[in-house]
Amino acid sequence: AQSVTQPDIHITVSEGASLELRCNYSYGATPYLFWYVQSPGQGLQLLLKYFSGDTLVQGIKGFEAEFKRSQSSFNLRKPSVHWSDAAEYFCAVGAIDAGKSTFGDGTTLTVKP
Amino acid sequence: DADVTQTPRNRITKTGKRIMLECSQTKGHDRMYWYRQDPGLGLQLIYYSFDVKDINKGEISDGYSVSRQAQAKFSLSLESAIPNQTALYFCATSDYAGELFFGEGSRLTVL
Repeated sequence: AQSVTQPDIHITVSEGASLELRCNYSYGATPYLFWYVQSPGQGLQLLLKYFSGDTLVQGIKGFEAEFKRSQSSFNLRKPSVHWSDAAEYFCAVGAIDAGKSTFGDGTTLTVKP
Repeated sequence: DADVTQTPRNRITKTGKRIMLECSQTKGHDRMYWYRQDPGLGLQLIYYSFDVKDINKGEISDGYSVSRQAQAKFSLSLESAIPNQTALYFCATSDYAGELFFGEGSRLTVL
């Protein structure tokens, strides 16, 4: 069975600092991996996705993620966090049937001024 | 206008009542989904539909039913609501490229 672990429930960073959100997955084949962001009162929005090819993927809002097969990880990074990045972030793993993806429990990001 | 629209956005109801949450989309996607979100638990799939004649149970379908009235419409029903169905419900669509497009959510409170 597929599963996703986001080890950090809550992370606080200062504005302008770098950010890394961790995601570890379990999947029986080559995974399709996603990061979504949920701002308060909003639905989820796709930040980036990995299907194949280059293991470093670029997304919207200056985010990137790196797929590391040997570590079963797909960590999300941003070099300089903005106050507007405060939100909840979800990692998901699945097949091409994206709606059947399995979501992690999420990481809440707080940005200090 | 939003690509995926959910109504109502907020609903308070009593135990035993029948509730319907509606979802419509303008993305033109065949695939539609209903998810439930509880604090600290991520998203759980309730039902999904790959076309009008295709309905499938997800991880937590007990106590819920769905209807796919058209390609653009997918409704979720709670026949007899109970307090532990208090949650935030999301409708989503996807194309064959894998990305999910979410509505803004329907917050349901069952007293």
